[in-house]
Amino acid sequence: DGGITQSPKYLFRKEGQNVTLSCEQNLNHDAMYWYRQDPGQGLRLIYYSQIVNDFQKGDIAEGYSVSREKKESFPLTVTSAQKNPTAFYLCASSILGILNQPQHFGDGTRLSIL
Amino acid sequence: AQSVTQLDSHVSVSEGTPVLLRCNYSSSYSPSLFWYVQHPNKGLQLLLKYTSAATLVKGINGFEAEFKKSETSFHLTKPSAHMSDAAEYFCVVRGTNDYKLSFGAGTTVTVRA
Repeated sequence: DGGITQSPKYLFRKEGQNVTLSCEQNLNHDAMYWYRQDPGQGLRLIYYSQIVNDFQKGDIAEGYSVSREKKESFPLTVTSAQKNPTAFYLCASSILGILNQPQHFGDGTRLSIL
Repeated sequence: AQSVTQLDSHVSVSEGTPVLLRCNYSSSYSPSLFWYVQHPNKGLQLLLKYTSAATLVKGINGFEAEFKKSETSFHLTKPSAHMSDAAEYFCVVRGTNDYKLSFGAGTTVTVRA
């Protein structure tokens, strides 16, 4: 079945540590996205990528970094500069260039501070 | 710029009764509108989308939504709630850019037996 796989499901970060969240899709979608979800809030865009080797900052990019070396993969690194990383992180993908195409989501990674 | 307001943060219904989730949007352009559902510790699943082909949109699991341009609303309804409908629901609007979605804060639905 086609879909988006996020791993790990749960992740713990120590002070001063960088951690990387994995996102892989086999939908052959051009665009990929990372969102952060906090309780009682909607999703906020961290980074997005519309093509391999290119990505753009979203609304809350500070303290995060990404790469897009392959079409299928869009890993997110939460750096030590992100002072409040505890949240639910969602990866999404979509087709570009066709009107009204929705974004498809993975099952998320929950990141907590040790 | 576009934005979305979900008018209820929490809705509680009895099983078998109708569900109404309210959403108002703001957009400078003809918007694309979506409703997603999220079960605990899961990703978002698309329920339905408005594509301008019809104002009444039918989705999965018996949900439907009506687009009313004059009221800038896109309310989600279901005639008869099921226990499995207990979840969080997000109204989402997209403007002219493919990437830029604006999410409402979400409505939590509780279904009483």
